Amino acid sequence: KAGVTQTPRYLIKTRGQQVTLSCSPISGHRSVSWYQQTPGQGLQFLFEYFSETQRNKGNFPGRFSGRQFSNSRSEMNVSTLELGDSALYLCASSLEGGGIQYFGAGTRLSVL
Amino acid sequence: QKEVEQNSGPLSVPEGAIASLNCTYSDRGSQSFFWYRQYSGKSPELIMFIYSNGDKEDGRFTAQLNKASQYVSLLIRDSQPSDSATYLCAVNPSGNTGKLIFGQGTTLQVKP
Repeated sequence: KAGVTQTPRYLIKTRGQQVTLSCSPISGHRSVSWYQQTPGQGLQFLFEYFSETQRNKGNFPGRFSGRQFSNSRSEMNVSTLELGDSALYLCASSLEGGGIQYFGAGTRLSVL
Repeated sequence: QKEVEQNSGPLSVPEGAIASLNCTYSDRGSQSFFWYRQYSGKSPELIMFIYSNGDKEDGRFTAQLNKASQYVSLLIRDSQPSDSATYLCAVNPSGNTGKLIFGQGTTLQVKP
C-alpha cells in the first residue's frame, strides 16, 4: 500500500511569490492535515480537510489556504511569500481524522 | 502555558538502558495521544498511540497515560544507538478530527 506522497520535495521561491504544494493520501484515507515545521516553532497545525471541506484551521494568516479534491488529494497554497514561511511543510492522512495520522516526506520550502 | 510540553533535552542514555520521555498537556478533554519519532531531515514516524489510562506495550516501547495528571510518557527499553532521534508527543484535543497539537520534541541520544 503506497504511503502519503508529497510533491515537490524541495522548492525555492522569492518573497512575494506564491506556491502550491500537493499531497496524495494513503488510499482510502479521507482526512488530510497540513503542518508547518520550523526550528523555532516546532510542528504547528495549519488545517485539516475532510470530504472536500475544511474542518479545522490553525492560527495562521489567510495567506495560507488549501483545498481537497473528490479523490481526497489535497493542495495547500501560500500567497505573497515571506521569509518566515521558509519551513518543512508536512501533510498527514488518516481514515477519518481522529485516529492515527501518517506523514508524508514533506516539502521543504525556502523563501529568498 | 504551552498546550503540549516536553523537555527538549538532549536526554542522553547509555546503550541498553531505559530511556524515559515525558509529556504534559493542558486540555483536560483531550482524547488521544501519540508518540512520533523523527530522525534529522526526515518526517515523523508513528511509534505508539494510546487512548485509555494505563500502560500500553509494543516491543521495546511502553506508552503510559494518566489523564487525571494530564501526563503521557514513553519508555524505551534496551535503548539502541538507532533510537537516537527527536521524539514528538502529539495530542488530539477532540478525538474525532485531524488536528494534532505537538510538543517541541525531546532529543534522545543513545551512546554506545
